[in-house]
Amino acid sequence: GAGVSQSPSNKVTEKGKDVELRCDPISGHTALYWYRQSLGQGLEFLIYFQGNSAPDKSGLPSDRFSAERTGGSVSTLTIQRTQQEDSAVYLCASSRAGVGGLGYTFGSGTRLTVV
Amino acid sequence: AQKVTQAQTEISVVEKEDVTLDCVYETRDTTYYLFWYKQPPSGELVFLIRRNSFDEQNEISGRYSWNFQKSTSSFNFTITASQVVDSAVYFCALSPNSGYSTLTFGKGTMLLVSP
Repeated sequence: GAGVSQSPSNKVTEKGKDVELRCDPISGHTALYWYRQSLGQGLEFLIYFQGNSAPDKSGLPSDRFSAERTGGSVSTLTIQRTQQEDSAVYLCASSRAGVGGLGYTFGSGTRLTVV
Repeated sequence: AQKVTQAQTEISVVEKEDVTLDCVYETRDTTYYLFWYKQPPSGELVFLIRRNSFDEQNEISGRYSWNFQKSTSSFNFTITASQVVDSAVYFCALSPNSGYSTLTFGKGTMLLVSP
């Protein structure tokens, strides 16, 4: 597609439920990133996929968080047993290569609210 | 470890005023990239500029200008003759210039431009 597409744009869930957030990167972009934006906290790196390489999961805050990227394209971020502190905007970005210097294209994000 | 500090949490100006957003960074890398992104109320992060650490020349793009000073580890952003449409959160970010890399973001500065 023309841009990075994320769905849903908003998600309200009850504490303890699992949620799945979807990211569809720009066609041809081999690198895909997930970031979390909490109120007043800037953007926090979560996970990075580059081609067929093993993902860099170093930013995932707990084992309740996981992500997959199928076929080198669409990615799903899953949060199990959601907690109120998981409430944030989850942003996905993609780039043509893994080198950060090329910059990313971001999606509009998924606003997750855990009640 | 990398760190980006945007000391200004929020700035309010009146239209047509000039405004400078500060960014100070820390890195042990000898080469790196610096970025500025704009996040308007719609939520999507918009890429503004990338600067290679080798290039300390200031850059001007229309009403925007950037002052990179390696000696003080600063990469400040100035908007001349601000407009209401400039109201947004602005993020400064840093990435290594090696292999694949993720961006380290500052916490952002919210700019409010009133008519």
